[in-house]
Amino acid sequence: EVQLVTSGGDVVQPGGSLRLSCAASGFSFDDSDMHWVRRAPGKGLEWVSVIYWDGGTTYYADSVRGRFTVSRDNNKNSLYLQMNALRSEDSGFYYCAKEGYSDSLGSWGQGTLVAVSA
Amino acid sequence: IVMTQTPGSLPVTPGEPASISCRSSQSLWDGDDGDTYLDWYLQKPGQSPHLLIYTLYHRAAGVPDRFSGSGSGTDFTLDISRVEAEDVGVYYCMQRIKFPYTFGQGTKLEI
Repeated sequence: EVQLVTSGGDVVQPGGSLRLSCAASGFSFDDSDMHWVRRAPGKGLEWVSVIYWDGGTTYYADSVRGRFTVSRDNNKNSLYLQMNALRSEDSGFYYCAKEGYSDSLGSWGQGTLVAVSA
Repeated sequence: IVMTQTPGSLPVTPGEPASISCRSSQSLWDGDDGDTYLDWYLQKPGQSPHLLIYTLYHRAAGVPDRFSGSGSGTDFTLDISRVEAEDVGVYYCMQRIKFPYTFGQGTKLEI
């Protein structure tokens, strides 16, 4: 069974940093491209980032490019999102997701809550 | 690519059909492989999102056959043939023909 357990969410001040983690199990993590998706309070889903299976290719949403960095450790079956220069609009639930059928977002973690507030 | 979903809110009666529309600012059809890269996701209250329909019309495992996806090019529809109480939540379309992937604004289905 695919399991994605997200952690690292916290309350942080504007301009601060946070690192999210996603622990994966139940599938071949090192064969899987992985994504981050977020949902701000009262808003819809926003795709954030992707990292390919080998860590060699990454893409970002325009809203986070240059501030967020996605990475992975295939030896630890873990995905990360380093978030710097945080803004209030970065607040929300952050989900990691594994590609599934035809590279859709087939499995999702439970999410971790980030609150950027003074 | 901008994704536009309508309606924003959809009150429905159990047993009745429901339909959600999604429009993309560019074609989601890949001429190389013939696939259309449009997915539908549902986020039920208090839960993480999950996949309903991938690549235009393919139902994900465990998704009831009352859900169906259709469309072409830039215009897409998610149909529910007979709504059940458990279908409440927010439905999103998402394009993945090019990065950055983008979601529609969401449609809240209410009983």
